Amino acid sequence: QSVLTQPPSVSGAPGQRITISCTGSSSNLGAGYDVHWYQQLPGTAPKLLIYANNNRPSGVPDRLSGSKSGTSASLAITGLQAEDEADYYCQSYDTSLSGSVFGGGTKLTVL
Amino acid sequence: EVQLVESGGGLVQPGGSLRLSCAASGFSFSTYWMHWVRQTPGKGLVWVSRINSDGSSTYYADSVKGRFTISRDNAKNTLYLRMNSLRAEDTAIYYCVREGSGWYSFDYWGQGTLVTVSS
Repeated sequence: QSVLTQPPSVSGAPGQRITISCTGSSSNLGAGYDVHWYQQLPGTAPKLLIYANNNRPSGVPDRLSGSKSGTSASLAITGLQAEDEADYYCQSYDTSLSGSVFGGGTKLTVL
Repeated sequence: EVQLVESGGGLVQPGGSLRLSCAASGFSFSTYWMHWVRQTPGKGLVWVSRINSDGSSTYYADSVKGRFTISRDNAKNTLYLRMNSLRAEDTAIYYCVREGSGWYSFDYWGQGTLVTVSS
């Protein structure tokens, strides 16, 4: 059971828009701690997609965006492409655990 | 180019010890906080430990506190994780990770090193 809750899977057709939710609690997202998002392709290390709720590192396309409100956050991907098929994780800090926490991950399937 | 290269993983018996290393290059290692994150094959990510830039402050997940020790040698641009009293549940891929612009955000990851705890 992960501290941050994500749907196990989402899917969409090429060109569509999808969102992945991340639900926390008053000790992490609700306490004001930032959320970060990662993409993990099979057999590779995770890659940072969004940091501090809605900031994209250099090289991440602007069809990816993040938002956060209260105890929830979401990652949106527009113009879905086959190469977006991967696992996605949200991550934040939890004051009760005094450390970082991850969501359980969401597998994105491009139909 | 930022590079993080882990080494030291392998097969170890329950109760045994192992030391992981992470060689950093392409950035000013001594100015960054660093972390270890692990991933059980086929499962999710779990934060393990954090160390500040000069090595004077360390933080651990409850699951490894008292058994694992994170350290660094800034002269050698190397991060370490000493793992003692290893258990089957410590079996995972261990990633060396750099903390980025966002607090507790992980902007660069190594390729990972596999630790298997089994008799």
